[in-house]
Amino acid sequence: QVTLKESGPGILQPSQTLSLTCTFSGFSLSTYGMGVGWIRQPSGKGLEWLANIWWDDDKYYNPSLKNRLTISKDTSNNQAFLKITNVDTADTATYYCARIGTRVLFDYWGQGVMVTVSS
Amino acid sequence: DIQMTQSPSSMSASLGDRVTITCQASQDIGNNLIWFQQKPGKSPRPMIYYATNLANGVPSRFSGSRSGSDYSLTISSLESEDMADYHCLQYKQYPPTFGSGTKLEIK
Repeated sequence: QVTLKESGPGILQPSQTLSLTCTFSGFSLSTYGMGVGWIRQPSGKGLEWLANIWWDDDKYYNPSLKNRLTISKDTSNNQAFLKITNVDTADTATYYCARIGTRVLFDYWGQGVMVTVSS
Repeated sequence: DIQMTQSPSSMSASLGDRVTITCQASQDIGNNLIWFQQKPGKSPRPMIYYATNLANGVPSRFSGSRSGSDYSLTISSLESEDMADYHCLQYKQYPPTFGSGTKLEIK
């Protein structure tokens, strides 16, 4: 059974760094072809892809967020991480992590974690 | 970036109706498209992958099709449980891009 769960700070101030953790089970990020992605959704709005990390540590980022994103993984502990630097109110959203399966991109999703950026 | 133009943004239909939602790709994406369903307060769920393939556990009233650069999700006979937001996603080229979403309501 594949499960994912996001965790994060809940609220943070503008200019701070947002650190998110995705803890998963039922698959391994050391398995060929597997990956984890991060997607966010402001309340009442659409979905925005942020970053992917693959089993071989290959990484891809959304260029619209320029150099603010860093994705990483801890294969031994079945976790993936996303950092977003210099946050502002536009980063207020629900953040999801999702598995990249061998057949379907984002075939399993976490429940999401709400993050509010406010002074 | 590849733009996915999704329509309509919202719609209301009656139980039993045939419903179609469309995404138009700004560039060739092959069949590299997924349709997601998202119910209120829930995470997205893949319904159709590779444009026309039904994901595991998805009712057969859902189907996907392609005509040129237009990709469609069709519900053949609307049921109350289908009330949700629907999103398309292209993954032919980085960055993966979503359509703006369709809110489907039941009349």
